[in-house]
Amino acid sequence: DTAVSQTPKYLVTQMGNDKSIKCEQNLGHDTMYWYKQDSKKFLKIMFSYNNKELIINETVPNRFSPKSPDKAHLNLHINSLELGDSAVYFCASRGQGYNEQFFGPGTRLTVL
Amino acid sequence: AQSVTQPDIHITVSEGASLELRCNYSYGATPYLFWYVQSPGQGLQLLLKYFSGDTLVQGIKGFEAEFKRSQSSFNLRKPSVHWSDAAEYFCAVGPMDSSYKLIFGSGTRLLVRP
Repeated sequence: DTAVSQTPKYLVTQMGNDKSIKCEQNLGHDTMYWYKQDSKKFLKIMFSYNNKELIINETVPNRFSPKSPDKAHLNLHINSLELGDSAVYFCASRGQGYNEQFFGPGTRLTVL
Repeated sequence: AQSVTQPDIHITVSEGASLELRCNYSYGATPYLFWYVQSPGQGLQLLLKYFSGDTLVQGIKGFEAEFKRSQSSFNLRKPSVHWSDAAEYFCAVGPMDSSYKLIFGSGTRLLVRP
């Protein structure tokens, strides 16, 4: 009965690798988001999709590419991982006509 | 520029004491306002939100917040803190447009003394 789920919960990888984080929501929401939380707990939006269409694309290296196969899923693919990519990545979703966002449990990415 | 300031990096209170966490925002117009809580190793849970109307809003877990337009503030309060309230608290603002892009403050860590 999880509302917003992310896999994996932890991801440890080497610099230069390519990795993906998956997000799924079963709330029937139209809009999904990716946020990055750095080591100082600062949260910053990265991307947002509405019905599979990209609507927010913040200043993020183009090594990061979101993909939304359907409106219940928003995946984040990261190429050529760097040390500075180490962070917790949160997925969130929002229903049409509502303003609050519901967050997933986060994926802690560690790049060695 | 749009921003959210939470001036207290961490606050320690005794269990049973009252709590107030400060939040100030800089925004072009009245935004939507939110408080989220993040327990260790967990995602963010919405505590309460303000869109319009009554400036004192009630949330879950006994929390409330007051919107003061003149001070651009949205402070979070609880009359009696429980040990389980120890967590990181984030204030966020969002626009009244279709982007709903949230801007978060840097968070306040709440520690509760037994």
